[in-house]
Amino acid sequence: KNQVEQSPQSLIILEGKNCTLQCNYTVSPFSNLRWYKQDTGRGPVSLTIMTFSENTKSNGRYTATLDADTKQSSLHITASQLSDSASYICVVSRGSGGYQKVTFGTGTKLQVIP
Amino acid sequence: DSGVTQTPKHLITATGQRVTLRCSPRSGDLSVYWYQQSLDQGLQFLIHYYNGEERAKGNILERFSAQQFPDLHSELNLSSLELGDSALYFCASSVGWGDNQPQHFGDGTRLSIL
Repeated sequence: KNQVEQSPQSLIILEGKNCTLQCNYTVSPFSNLRWYKQDTGRGPVSLTIMTFSENTKSNGRYTATLDADTKQSSLHITASQLSDSASYICVVSRGSGGYQKVTFGTGTKLQVIP
Repeated sequence: DSGVTQTPKHLITATGQRVTLRCSPRSGDLSVYWYQQSLDQGLQFLIHYYNGEERAKGNILERFSAQQFPDLHSELNLSSLELGDSALYFCASSVGWGDNQPQHFGDGTRLSIL
């Protein structure tokens, strides 16, 4: 069964600290993995997209890693800011030749406190 | 601001009714995607259109239908509404139709069924 599991479900960290969010998937055949940030009441915002051949991708203070062998990805946030408080969603696509089947994780809710 | 416009922002209606949600993609984007986000099921992909043609279908119910018009705006029609259809409906757009395209989300239409 194609599944995407994220951990932890929620996380509270102090402003300025780093944190790492995890995403494990069983989706096959793998096409790509995306990380989104979603503020409460807003649409998701794309952070990174990684294909099979990419194992690291950065977007400012956000760095995503992908290990296609173990089917794991992580999102590392450096020097957190209050504005990082949001839900972070991992999305894995399978298939090719178009926007094929996608499986969404249930997200990690991050709260950054002063 | 993602450049994707969704109307209306909020919609309240009753069971059995029919509603139409509208999406205007970013200027230059040819692909439109529709998603449903509910509290118990998270984000789900519904359907993808590229330049007026349906490209991929996800977990879209038969009571739901969509189309993309020549000016590239899209509409999602929901009929015979049930309480379980209460959710946030997001539209996203991208330049092309390939699976690795970054998607830009609108802020959604919140549908409440009474």
